Amino acid sequence: EAGVAQSPRYKIIEKRQSVAFWCNPISGHATLYWYQQILGQGPKLLIQFQNNGVVDDSQLPKDRFSAERLKGVDSTLKIQPAKLEDSAVYLCASSSRGPTNEKLFFGSGTQLSVL
Amino acid sequence: AQSVSQHNHHVILSEAASLELGCNYSYGGTVNLFWYVQYPGQHLQLLLKYFSGDPLVKGIKGFEAEFIKSKFSFNLRKPSVQWSDTAEYFCAVTPSGNTGKLIFGQGTTLQVKP
Repeated sequence: EAGVAQSPRYKIIEKRQSVAFWCNPISGHATLYWYQQILGQGPKLLIQFQNNGVVDDSQLPKDRFSAERLKGVDSTLKIQPAKLEDSAVYLCASSSRGPTNEKLFFGSGTQLSVL
Repeated sequence: AQSVSQHNHHVILSEAASLELGCNYSYGGTVNLFWYVQYPGQHLQLLLKYFSGDPLVKGIKGFEAEFIKSKFSFNLRKPSVQWSDTAEYFCAVTPSGNTGKLIFGQGTTLQVKP
């Protein structure tokens, strides 16, 4: 089966610029996640969608980060304006939300460098 | 706040050596526990998970982990590592109510020398 698709693979921007990342989850997966992984750390959940509704965005810096999943399929994460500390790999994941068998499928990520 | 701590940042082993990676978590309620692995150039993938039942769980590629509730630990083990096990390993925990909200440890890089 096709995996979680993310683009772009790499992005380099200057601070105060804006950037957007795209994710297409595995077909049929209702739940979509965006994680931020800073070098040397484990991934941290930014936002979780169930279909096109937000389940958890408690760790999303809402003054600069936004995300949407309008049709309940693909999703976009935006940063505006970017700061140096936003340099990280942004991972998208999806799951089918089975009752007792939660397993996340991760994409390859977008590596963001903010100069 | 919930947190996960992995004891070793970088482990170097020779092939056929035994492996144990430590993981401790901080959370007062019922949890689900996971180990994820990221091979060089690949995406994160599930190695094994514990939801309930037998505290000794077996995963792919000969890995196993033991949940010790009294110690808040979920250590990963493998009796004999191979060069192909070179990867970064992440321990993660979720509260039972939201099994998708993974809280990851900082990761352990395992390097296996042939």
